Amino acid sequence: SYELTQPPSVSVSPGQTARITCSGEALPRENSYWYQQKSGQAPVLVIYEDNKRPSGIPERFSGSSSGTMATLTISGAQVEDEGDYYCYSTDSSNNGVFGGGTKLTVL
Amino acid sequence: EVQLLESGGGLVQPGGSLRLSCAASGFTFSSYAMSWVRQAPGKGLEWVSVISGSGGSTYYADSVKGRFTISRDNSKNRLYLQMNSLRAEDTAVYFCAKLIRSSWSGNSNWFDPWGQGTLVTVSS
Repeated sequence: SYELTQPPSVSVSPGQTARITCSGEALPRENSYWYQQKSGQAPVLVIYEDNKRPSGIPERFSGSSSGTMATLTISGAQVEDEGDYYCYSTDSSNNGVFGGGTKLTVL
Repeated sequence: EVQLLESGGGLVQPGGSLRLSCAASGFTFSSYAMSWVRQAPGKGLEWVSVISGSGGSTYYADSVKGRFTISRDNSKNRLYLQMNSLRAEDTAVYFCAKLIRSSWSGNSNWFDPWGQGTLVTVSS
């Protein structure tokens, strides 16, 4: 079955740039999406269609995609950005697929 | 403001059944596809099922196909998930989520927003 691969954890100091990657064979053809989930809360969309930012999401969040890898970048990460981040896309059969998630620590 | 409120979770024995419900408000419910996504305790997100805005098309993850049935009542603005033959591995928080289009086809479709979830525990 199709998989999206993320690093289990990323750690940065406040003000540094955090980059979270997502690897998948279909990403050259399919859009990627990113969700932020803070402890005990529902996921929140932070990037859609590879690089678009929903209203209300801070400008420090950006996305990119090249070849089989999508990347979520948080420029100047803040303590309140801590949480789990999930990439999402679809496979060739139009099934939804989430990456395994990346725990971001900012300290 | 879009609001999604799940209910119906609880403790059920292996092999049992449970019906989840999601009450929607703040948007024209019938104009949007809806989905269920689950998260096992301490684990990641797993896409479960999608239903089109009209209810005429449904899609399922292989892990639940043949056991779960997604449906909707557009007159009541409600989404449902009927879960049969439940297994321990179905234990999870189940989120309902609104899609941005009326149909599921194509990749330019995403979940936004999500409800707060309801916990299903399958255990004897």
